[in-house]
Amino acid sequence: DVKVTQSSRYLVKRTGEKVFLECVQDMDHENMFWYRQDPGLGLRLIYFSYDVKMKEKGDIPEGYSVSREKKERFSLILESASTNQTSMYLCASSLLGTSDYEQYFGPGTRLTVT
Amino acid sequence: QKEVEQDPGPLSVPEGAIVSLNCTYSNSAFQYFMWYRQYSRKGPELLMYTYSSGNKEDGRFTAQVDKSSKYISLFIRDSQPSDSATYLCAMNNNAGNMLTFGGGTRLMVKP
Repeated sequence: DVKVTQSSRYLVKRTGEKVFLECVQDMDHENMFWYRQDPGLGLRLIYFSYDVKMKEKGDIPEGYSVSREKKERFSLILESASTNQTSMYLCASSLLGTSDYEQYFGPGTRLTVT
Repeated sequence: QKEVEQDPGPLSVPEGAIVSLNCTYSNSAFQYFMWYRQYSRKGPELLMYTYSSGNKEDGRFTAQVDKSSKYISLFIRDSQPSDSATYLCAMNNNAGNMLTFGGGTRLMVKP
């Protein structure tokens, strides 16, 4: 059974803290993605990675960084958390394919920055 | 204007109704079309996946793509309370591995 797991379901952090969100997939997928989901704005891509140590900026990378040291693990880092980063964060993975673009999602991390 | 538009709803229907969910898009290069279902406080899961134009049926669900109108639909027959969720459309243009998502439509099926 396909599985993407995220380190926390709920997280509360203070403004200015450094925050790490971790995602692990067990499907040997090449691609991994980080999105944030906000009411009225839908899913917005923050960063994605198509291979170990490779990363590409998505639509809203400002204030975030990522790390992919192992194929199965993709971390999202908020260098200095701010209240406007309060959101639901979703990790996804997919094959590096030419016709199968299905993305498999984790359960999400609801982050609150106070 | 967003690349993919989707009415956010909420759409409230009685149990047993036929539901029609829709997305319009502007990029004519999109070729792969997906519908994801997202229950409250969960991640999205793939429901239907179609390539190019035409219909695809899976049980109570039918996905329809009209590329000439840049319009896709998801029909749910005999809707159940368990179908209550947010439905997201997603698309790919076969030029990379990223998906472009609609904002999602929240569906409520009342018993």
